[in-house]
Amino acid sequence: QVQLQESGPGLVKPSGTLSLTCAVSGDSISSNKWWTWVRQSPGKGLEWIGEIYHSGSSNYNPSLKSRVTISIDKSKNQFSLNLSSLTAADTAIYYCARKNYDGGRDVDIWGQGTLVTVSS
Amino acid sequence: DIQMTQSPSSLSASVGDRVTITCRPSQSINNYLNWYQQRPGKAPKVLIYAASSLQSGVPSRFSGTGSGTDFTLTISDLQPEDSATYYCQQSYTTPSFGGGTKVEIK
Repeated sequence: QVQLQESGPGLVKPSGTLSLTCAVSGDSISSNKWWTWVRQSPGKGLEWIGEIYHSGSSNYNPSLKSRVTISIDKSKNQFSLNLSSLTAADTAIYYCARKNYDGGRDVDIWGQGTLVTVSS
Repeated sequence: DIQMTQSPSSLSASVGDRVTITCRPSQSINNYLNWYQQRPGKAPKVLIYAASSLQSGVPSRFSGTGSGTDFTLTISDLQPEDSATYYCQQSYTTPSFGGGTKVEIK
């Protein structure tokens, strides 16, 4: 079955850059899907960060766009998130996920999530 | 940006009750509306996609209706395992989520 697994540092410093990778198994990163990042601050709701298609086309949340880069590595079947100029407000559980390209364009597969804390 | 207004923010109901959650986008989104369930400590799980299509494996007591700017998630015959937070999400444009509805079992 399709599985997504996030990896990266759990603690990053203010003003620094968060870098996370999502390894995809059971599906090809070149399939007709959008590869997506979503975050959730402690005790809060879900916030969509952005997504990338295997062609390299990407879409970002306007509120984060100036700080976000999502990239894709077809050779490793994985995609990555970089978020810069971090503040405490970026402390959250970060989920990578797979979004359908058509139909409901729903997010049908989620990683387990990884907690990233921004603190000195 | 499309803002998603979800109500109520929380509710408490008994096993066997019928529960309704509403989601209203700030503009028409056709039927590009999905519903997710999130249990504590877990990743969200899609229940309903394209406003009314039941995701494979999801119990039939979950149903979704609506189009345009008015959508509803209904849980008929509420079960203890339905205790969770429910989110709507629009996928018409840059995706966005509603604020969530926490469902508690009395």
